[in-house]
Amino acid sequence: EIVMTQSPATLSVSPGERATLSCRASQSVGSNLAWYQQKPGQAPRLLIYGASTRVTGVPARFSGSGSGTEFTLTISSLQSEDFAVYYCQRYNNWPPLTFGGGTKVEI
Amino acid sequence: QVQLQESGPGLVKPSETLSLICIVSGGSISDNSWGWIRQSPGKGLEWIGHIYYSGSTNYNPSLKSRVTISVDTSKNQFSLRLTSVTAADTAVYYCARLEAWGGFRYWGQGSLVTVSS
Repeated sequence: EIVMTQSPATLSVSPGERATLSCRASQSVGSNLAWYQQKPGQAPRLLIYGASTRVTGVPARFSGSGSGTEFTLTISSLQSEDFAVYYCQRYNNWPPLTFGGGTKVEI
Repeated sequence: QVQLQESGPGLVKPSETLSLICIVSGGSISDNSWGWIRQSPGKGLEWIGHIYYSGSTNYNPSLKSRVTISVDTSKNQFSLRLTSVTAADTAVYYCARLEAWGGFRYWGQGSLVTVSS
């Protein structure tokens, strides 16, 4: 089973700063990786799929990179509405579908 | 715009069956595949399973013996049944549209189900 590990668990950032979130797979998933944002009391929101393709309507300050086992979600200049929990999800050779444990981005 | 709405009991007794439905609007349920994901309090996301437009299903191996997902095309809705629940099944249950590439773009708002006597 492929395990997805996200780090750090919590990232403390000031508004306007850059945030870099990591997602590591225990074995290669190619570019079959998605990123979600979840705010308290809300459902997850799909931000990126294919490791780097932004969903329509997602601000350009969100960017994804990586392939194989190492992936990064970068928020170039944090806005107040970006403070949330972010999850990665791999979808190579699915099912099963698996999520990482999440990174909380806090002020 | 596709919209999903979960509904069902918020409280289920241990050993009983959890049943939720997801009503889909803004599109035909027959044209897509659909899934269920849950999130235990303060925890991460866990894929439960999904049903393809063909009617075939896939389930999380850890839940497979207790889970059934089905579709009712006449009502444009799909459902989740989880048998023999325990406190560990307490979670917010989300329904979502499964995209062809394997992720979830459209989600319901979630339904909290508590397992308690």
